[in-house]
Amino acid sequence: DAGVTQSPTHLIKTRGQQVTLRCSPKSGHDTVSWYQQALGQGPQFIFQYYEEEERQRGNFPDRFSGHQFPNYSSELNVNALLLGDSALYLCASSRIPGQAQTPLHFGNGTRLTVT
Amino acid sequence: EDQVTQSPEALRLQEGESSSLNCSYTVSGLRGLFWYRQDPGKGPEFLFTLYSAGEEKEKERLKATLTKKESFLHITAPKPEDSATYLCASPHNTDKLIFGTGTRLQVFP
Repeated sequence: DAGVTQSPTHLIKTRGQQVTLRCSPKSGHDTVSWYQQALGQGPQFIFQYYEEEERQRGNFPDRFSGHQFPNYSSELNVNALLLGDSALYLCASSRIPGQAQTPLHFGNGTRLTVT
Repeated sequence: EDQVTQSPEALRLQEGESSSLNCSYTVSGLRGLFWYRQDPGKGPEFLFTLYSAGEEKEKERLKATLTKKESFLHITAPKPEDSATYLCASPHNTDKLIFGTGTRLQVFP
């Protein structure tokens, strides 16, 4: 049973560029959330997608956008990259949004470095 | 403001030396408290969910407990393979998890 898969695993970009990260949820899961984890910090919620719509959003600027496809996979897009966007980007999947007690299953993340 | 605070930031233990990690939270309308383990370069791995004060859950050398204001992760006779960062988190509103900054545990043989 495949867990959450993310690609690419590592990425180096230059300030001002745009980046797209991809995520396939765990089998049987239909909800995808994205988190940003800076070095030495806990993950911070970016947004959540369900039924191809953004359902919840954290305190991130509009430069961060996403998409969910009919097969439940998801993309995270970041425009006009800043040095401060360097972080580990984690995708997490779950079933039945709104059930806060349902544990999230995380992928191993994409390490983004902005130079 | 909803907040999750973990202590200590880092903990070094000798193999077999038991200890506890603390997670204190100020989240209105608690809907559960999650513990995750994160190895370097990996995503967080789910360990436990605790729903109500007084609840306890165990897995191998780990036991998690919950009170009205804090949770503890007790590690009994740890082994080097228990070395990792342990994160606690609580849901805000529906599915947005608020994470603490984690406790980085190192267990030496």
